[in-house]
Amino acid sequence: EAQVTQNPRYLITVTGKKLTVTCSQNMNHEYMSWYRQDPGLGLRQIYYSMNVEVTDKGDVPEGYKVSRKEKRNFPLILESPSPNQTSLYFCASSLRGGDEQYFGPGTRLTVT
Amino acid sequence: QQQVKQSPQSLIVQKGGISIINCAYENTAFDYFPWYQQFPGKGPALLIAIRPDVSEKKEGRFTISFNKSAKQFSLHIMDSQPGDSATYFCAANFFIRDNYGQNFVFGPGTRLSVLP
Repeated sequence: EAQVTQNPRYLITVTGKKLTVTCSQNMNHEYMSWYRQDPGLGLRQIYYSMNVEVTDKGDVPEGYKVSRKEKRNFPLILESPSPNQTSLYFCASSLRGGDEQYFGPGTRLTVT
Repeated sequence: QQQVKQSPQSLIVQKGGISIINCAYENTAFDYFPWYQQFPGKGPALLIAIRPDVSEKKEGRFTISFNKSAKQFSLHIMDSQPGDSATYFCAANFFIRDNYGQNFVFGPGTRLSVLP
């Protein structure tokens, strides 16, 4: 089954404790992206990757890091999480930039 | 200039009625306008999309109307059903081919409730 998977689905952590949210797609897509969803703000793009080793900032990159060492994986790293990063995070992928995006199920992160 | 405005914030429609959600944008570089549907606990899923070379696109009960000069586009759901109850997001995108980048912007969302 073609899909985008994210882990974990739920995470509660404390301020400053480094964490990684994994994202993997099995569709051989070139383009992958991370979004955060907050009430009243819709989805805002954090980082995106056009292909392996090619990443760029979206609209809200502060406090986040990404890497794209393999085509199928695009992890999101929070080096020092803060409470304002409490949000619902979605990973997405598409065959190429500008094509239909397929979203993962989401990761609900709470930083206390 | 990168914003996409969306209204209404919430919408209640009777079964069989027409649901209309409107979006507006400023950046004339946007060249792809998708609508996403999101059910509680799920990720958004593409519903229908349009490019600015056409003024309307219809897929089943869902229609996008696009007004390039007004920089507005809307989603019409005909014969709305309770199963259509979800949050709808409009979005806009332009693909920066020269520097291999992409800008993807979503509206804030509209929560649609279709009453049985």
